[in-house]
This record gives sequence, structure tokens and C-alpha cells, in this order.
Amino acid sequence: DVKVTQSSRYLVKRTGEKVFLECVQDMDHENMFWYRQDPGLGLRLIYFSYDVKMKEKGDIPEGYSVSREKKERFSLILESASTNQTSMYLCASSFPGLAGDLSSYEQYFGPGTRLTVT
Amino acid sequence: AQSVTQLGSHVSVSEGALVLLRCNYSSSVPPYLFWYVQYPNQGLQLLLKYTSAATLVKGINGFEAEFKKSETSFHLTKPSAHMSDAAEYFCAVSVETSYDKVIFGPGTSLSVIP
Repeated sequence: DVKVTQSSRYLVKRTGEKVFLECVQDMDHENMFWYRQDPGLGLRLIYFSYDVKMKEKGDIPEGYSVSREKKERFSLILESASTNQTSMYLCASSFPGLAGDLSSYEQYFGPGTRLTVT
Repeated sequence: AQSVTQLGSHVSVSEGALVLLRCNYSSSVPPYLFWYVQYPNQGLQLLLKYTSAATLVKGINGFEAEFKKSETSFHLTKPSAHMSDAAEYFCAVSVETSYDKVIFGPGTSLSVIP
């Protein structure tokens, strides 16, 4: 079974702190994603990585950065946490999509980290 | 811009009744479509996906969805609801410029009444 793990289920930080959220996957997936989940907004992509050291900004990258030094690990960094970054953060991984390969494109999700910034 | 809409942020059904969760999408290229489910305090897991094979797709736990190109819809159904189906359901469409990425809808919370 694919396993995606996230370093914390719950995290409370103070405004201005630097916050690290860690994600590890054990399926040798090239793609990794960080999403933010808010009620009524669904999941919004923060950053996408398609290989080690490779990254793309998603829809809401402001205030966030990422690091991918190893294939299995993808870190989300809040440089200076703010209250509007209080949210549920979900990490996911997948193989690159291959046309006609019905087993591809599925994203596997971690359990999420609920971050509260006070 | 591409989008996914899910009609009804909250749906309640009686146990044993039909479940119908609606999803409409926009895409100018042939889409790949997905339904994910999120149980309380868990991440998302794939229910089913449409990737240009059969238009009627069967998934796990008795769910199925039908791709209708003319209606740009991908509604999720289950003939008979179980209490264990209570969860948040998300529809997603592949991004036109990169099929590795998807856009999620806002989600529909399903309640099952005994």
C-alpha cells in the first residue's frame, strides 16, 4: 500500500514563527503536492514538485516555500506564519501521468496537518 | 479559467436511499475526472476516475459516476446509502496544461440519516 505520512496531525504556532511541515512518501513517486484545505473552498494547490529540486508554484504560493532534496520527502515552509495561514494542509504524491495508462494520475494523500496560527 | 462546481455543499439522505452528488466541470480539452472521499480526520482517497475509457465508471464501496460530455457533468451515485458513507466528497478535473495536476471542487458533505 502507498503510504504518505505527514510529520504532525496538529500544530499550533505563533504569528511570525517559521513553520516546517514535512511529508514523506514510500512509493517512489516523482510528483508531490502541497494543498491547503478550507471549508467551502475545497483543496487549493500551493506548490507542486515533479522531481528532486524541481518545483512549480500552484494557485496560492504567496507566503509559502518548499524544499525537495530527496525524492521521498517534500517540505512546506511558512517563512513567517500569519493567522490567515490557519488551515488544514494536505500532502499528496503520484506517478507522472502516462497517456492511456489508467493506473496513473491518481494522487495519494497523507492524513493532513491542522495548523493553527495564533 | 478552469473550474469545478459541486451543487449543494451539504446533502442529507436516509439510509437505504439513493445518493446523488453533482459535479460540473469546465475544460477545453478532453478531461480526466476524479471523485475523492474524505472521512473525518483523514486525508482524501480515490473513489473512482474517468480517463477516457468507458463513460460509466465504477468505483469502490458501490459508487459509480457517468461522464456526460454534452452536459460537462460527472455526477456520483450510489443506489443505497449506508451510514458509513457519511463523509466529504470532492470532484476534481485534470488541468488542461498539465494532466498531472487537478483542480478540486469545493466539496459536498454527505450526511446519512438512520
